[in-house]
Formats: sequence, C-alpha cells, structure tokens
Amino acid sequence: AQSVTQLDSQVPVFEEAPVELRCNYSSSVSVYLFWYVQYPNQGLQLLLKYLSGSTLVESINGFEAEFNKSQTSFHLRKPSVHISDTAEYFCAVSKSGSARQLTFGSGTQLTVLP
Amino acid sequence: DVKVTQSSRYLVKRTGEKVFLECVQDMDHENMFWYRQDPGLGLRLIYFSYDVKMKEKGDIPEGYSVSREKKERFSLILESASTNQTSMYLCASSFSGQVPRSYTFGSGTRLTVV
Repeated sequence: AQSVTQLDSQVPVFEEAPVELRCNYSSSVSVYLFWYVQYPNQGLQLLLKYLSGSTLVESINGFEAEFNKSQTSFHLRKPSVHISDTAEYFCAVSKSGSARQLTFGSGTQLTVLP
Repeated sequence: DVKVTQSSRYLVKRTGEKVFLECVQDMDHENMFWYRQDPGLGLRLIYFSYDVKMKEKGDIPEGYSVSREKKERFSLILESASTNQTSMYLCASSFSGQVPRSYTFGSGTRLTVV
C-alpha cells in the first residue's frame, strides 16, 4: 500500500521569505501526486498536480513542486510567501491503476509571520 | 460555480444517537468520498462510492455506513455515535477515469459527540 509522509507538521516563516514543504511517498508502482491547500474553516482546494510529463509543475499563485522519482519526493516550494499563504497543506498520492482513491499525508501548517 | 455542499457546518450529538451527514454535488461526478480529518493524522478515508448504490470501504469504516441512492447525494451514517467519532468530516467528489481527477471538497462538518 502506498503512504505519504509530510516531514514537518508546522512551518513558520517570515513574509517574503522562501519556503519548502516536504513530501515523500512510498510506492512500488507509478503514482500521481497532488498538493491540496486548506484555508481556515474551509474544505481542501487543489493547488497543483503531477500526472505525467514535465517533473516541475506550477500553480497559479506562485507555488511549484518537483516530482523526483529516485528520491520518491514531491516537495512544494515558493520563493516568496505572503501572509495570505497561511494555511494547511496536504500532499496526496494515487497509484496508477487505482485512480479513484487518494491517500493523504498528515498535513503541514504553514504560518507566514509579518 | 460547481459545488459540493455538506448540509451542516457544526453538529452536536449525544452518545448513542444515530447521526446522518449529508453531501450533495452538482457536477455529475461519478465518485464520491467521505473522509475524517483529525489533527496530526491528516485525512483518512472512511467510505467511497463510484456509482449509484455502489460503496466500498476505505481505511477506517468501523462504526460508519453510507448510502448513495442518487448520483448527486452521498450520506454518511453513524449508527450509534461515540465520543471517538468527534471529528471534522469532509465530503469530496470527482469524475471517474484511468487518470485520477482532482477532488472537489465540501467545507466540512465539525461533529462533536458528547
């Protein structure tokens, strides 16, 4: 069975600083990878996804993630964060051939400080 | 704007009560999911459904059941609520297909069992 590990439960960072949220997965088969974001008192929203092709994927609000097959990682990065990026971020994986289910990591709370 | 609507934002129920959590989507999605979200544990899949009247157990189905009589509605049932079922419950839906589609989440129902 696949699993997802988010190495940091809390990441505080100052505004305009860079940030990296780490995600590692375990699976012996091809996978599809996702990052979701949850703002306070809301449901989860898709931030970006890797299905195939270029290993670097970007979101519309400046986040990017790189699929690294050899290190089984899909870390999320942003070069300069804003106060409005404060949220909980979830990494998720779905393995090829089991397209309906996502397995989520435990989440990383990103807090951007002024 | 497409939506997944969960009928209640907050619920307080007594131990032993039968509890119904309702979820409705207006996107004609085939797949629907119920997750519970707990601090430090991320999202854990309770049940999912890939068609009307079809259901499959997720990772933590014990103490729960589901019903999907219509494509747009997926209900989660706690037959006899217990305090360890106090949690945030999230409903999600997606299109079917070999390549996983993005989930659309509802805003969640925070259930407290006293």
